Amino acid sequence: GQNIDQPTEMTATEGAIVQINCTYQTSGFNGLFWYQQHAGEAPTFLSYNVLDGLEEKGRFSSFLSRSKGYSYLLLKELQMKDSASYLCAITDSNYQLIWGAGTKLIIKP
Amino acid sequence: GAVVSQHPSWVICKSGTSVKIECRSLDFQATTMFWYRQFPKQSLMLMATSNEGSKATYEQGVEKDKFLINHASLTLSTLTVTSAHPEDSSFYICSARDFKREMNEQFFGPGTRLTVL
Repeated sequence: GQNIDQPTEMTATEGAIVQINCTYQTSGFNGLFWYQQHAGEAPTFLSYNVLDGLEEKGRFSSFLSRSKGYSYLLLKELQMKDSASYLCAITDSNYQLIWGAGTKLIIKP
Repeated sequence: GAVVSQHPSWVICKSGTSVKIECRSLDFQATTMFWYRQFPKQSLMLMATSNEGSKATYEQGVEKDKFLINHASLTLSTLTVTSAHPEDSSFYICSARDFKREMNEQFFGPGTRLTVL
């Protein structure tokens, strides 16, 4: 079957670093996405990984290990505006997006 | 680039009426559009996949006669909630995929908040 696991909720402190993990088991793999969704808004694209390794984009980085079925999103220098849900999604062999349930990140001052 | 718009942003209607939501890709052609529903504090739920010029593919448990999807052009898909009831109140979000982009990421519209009284 197809399965994507993320922690339900995480809490971190402003200015700190947080790592949100995502593990997956899917039928085929054509890339992994991370999206950010603020409450009451639609998701916005953060990152895309299709090859193993780390992709860095400003304060956000995303890592992928295809052999382990594992990814993480790393957020540095946390700001209050980073409080949101972070969604991991996999593109399967049919290029359909399979969504994780999302991780709600709470930033405290 | 890759902007998706939705209209209306929010709508309030009486039970039993029908509501149409439009999803447009403004600066790219979208052969595939997706319709999602999201209830408060829950994850995105894919309702259907809409391909231009063909019938939509509905996810299990989604009534195709209640949620009518039309994707008549490469830039427009519509979702009509027929005979809406209070349990249909939700946040409806569309997304579109630009077939020319290798990444296959979906670009989301801003969403439509539907409240059925």
